[in-house]
Amino acid sequence: RKEVEQDPGPFNVPEGATVAFNCTYSNSASQSFFWYRQDCRKEPKLLMSVYSSGNEDGRFTAQLNRASQYISLLIRDSKLSDSATYLCVVNMNTGNQFYFGTGTSLTVIP
Amino acid sequence: SAVISQKPSRDICQRGTSLTIQCQVDSQVTMMFWYRQQPGQSLTLIATANQGSEATYESGFVIDKFPISRPNLTFSTLTVSNLSPEDSSIYLCSVEAVASLTGELFFGEGSRLTVL
Repeated sequence: RKEVEQDPGPFNVPEGATVAFNCTYSNSASQSFFWYRQDCRKEPKLLMSVYSSGNEDGRFTAQLNRASQYISLLIRDSKLSDSATYLCVVNMNTGNQFYFGTGTSLTVIP
Repeated sequence: SAVISQKPSRDICQRGTSLTIQCQVDSQVTMMFWYRQQPGQSLTLIATANQGSEATYESGFVIDKFPISRPNLTFSTLTVSNLSPEDSSIYLCSVEAVASLTGELFFGEGSRLTVL
């Protein structure tokens, strides 16, 4: 079983739509959680960390459900510039082992 | 944050040869990570490069194939040896943010390798 699993998509949504991505992780000892964004032919960059209480950054909301071992990312009012692959990342915090999901592809259509 | 310079950005190599990728960080870091991202796949950790000791390799990756150097706290190299077409991939250098409470990774721009 993979450490981190994501629906690869692709998600094709119109501008202004709301879209949600989910991610599950297998190890209940996981400590830190992140969403990264990767543009085509570019390196991944941190979008936001995910905290137990949930956190929001503008149009982006991330939530963590430890009991069910899943993480979500909600994007409101989608922009064309949101088109990218979104990677779910989990850190065990022991040995600095980061586990990456396969990524979810998002295309926002005019 | 950390600024990571990685080179070459891309290369085309013949099978049987080797390619060495360099990674330079603008600050001192304890651990540097080398990842591979194969076409259409996510990132897989190859090894963790520690200064002053041998690199720690993940399952499925061995030192003979992926020798790593870490001469100081700001620099590392990854060599991909005896290249085959299956090694065609993007190789990414990464460091963990210094003084970050929750930990986050910064990546170099990646080295895109094509093996003919």
